[in-house]
Amino acid sequence: AQRVTQPEKLLSVFKGAPVELKCNYSYSGSPELFWYVQYSRQRLQLLLRHISRESIKGFTADLNKGETSFHLKKPFAQEEDSAMYYCALSSGGSNYKLTFGKGTLLTVNP
Amino acid sequence: GAGVSQSPRYKVAKRGQDVALRCDPISGHVSLFWYQQALGQGPEFLTYFQNEAQLDKSGLPSDRFFAERPEGSVSTLKIQRTQQEDSAVYLCASSSFPRARHEKLFFGSGTQLSVL
Repeated sequence: AQRVTQPEKLLSVFKGAPVELKCNYSYSGSPELFWYVQYSRQRLQLLLRHISRESIKGFTADLNKGETSFHLKKPFAQEEDSAMYYCALSSGGSNYKLTFGKGTLLTVNP
Repeated sequence: GAGVSQSPRYKVAKRGQDVALRCDPISGHVSLFWYQQALGQGPEFLTYFQNEAQLDKSGLPSDRFFAERPEGSVSTLKIQRTQQEDSAVYLCASSSFPRARHEKLFFGSGTQLSVL
């Protein structure tokens, strides 16, 4: 069975501080990992995925298969980054199901 | 376009009542998903349609849950004899691609169901 764990329910940082949202997963194969974000009163949307190895809105995430982690990082947090963040896993290939973590609510204080 | 549209936005049901939740995907999208999100949890997969075919219903929690997409566009999630544990936000998502193209997946705003 596949599982995604986000150990922090809440995370609060000050503007300009680095931020790291943790995500650990359990899956025996080669998963695809994603970060989804939900801003206040907006829809759930994809932030980034590990395959593309891109930086979106200053956020990056590296898949560490040895530690089974996919932590989301940003060197300098902005107030507009305040949102709910979900880590999600797909078992890859043609698998269409996403398994989500419980989410971390990030608050960036001025 | 307007994106994925779900209605009603909020639904309050008495325990034992039947409810129907509607999803209008983006026009032309072949894939449609339903997810259930309980309070304080992440979304959990319920079912997947490719056009009108329900290819996976493994996430439906009981036989009280039924989903359909008869013409390959609008989908309805029906819950019979609602129970308090059915209270959740029900999310619909669609994609123009079949199966796995998560970067092209669009979510609706959800229907918040409260069972009293």
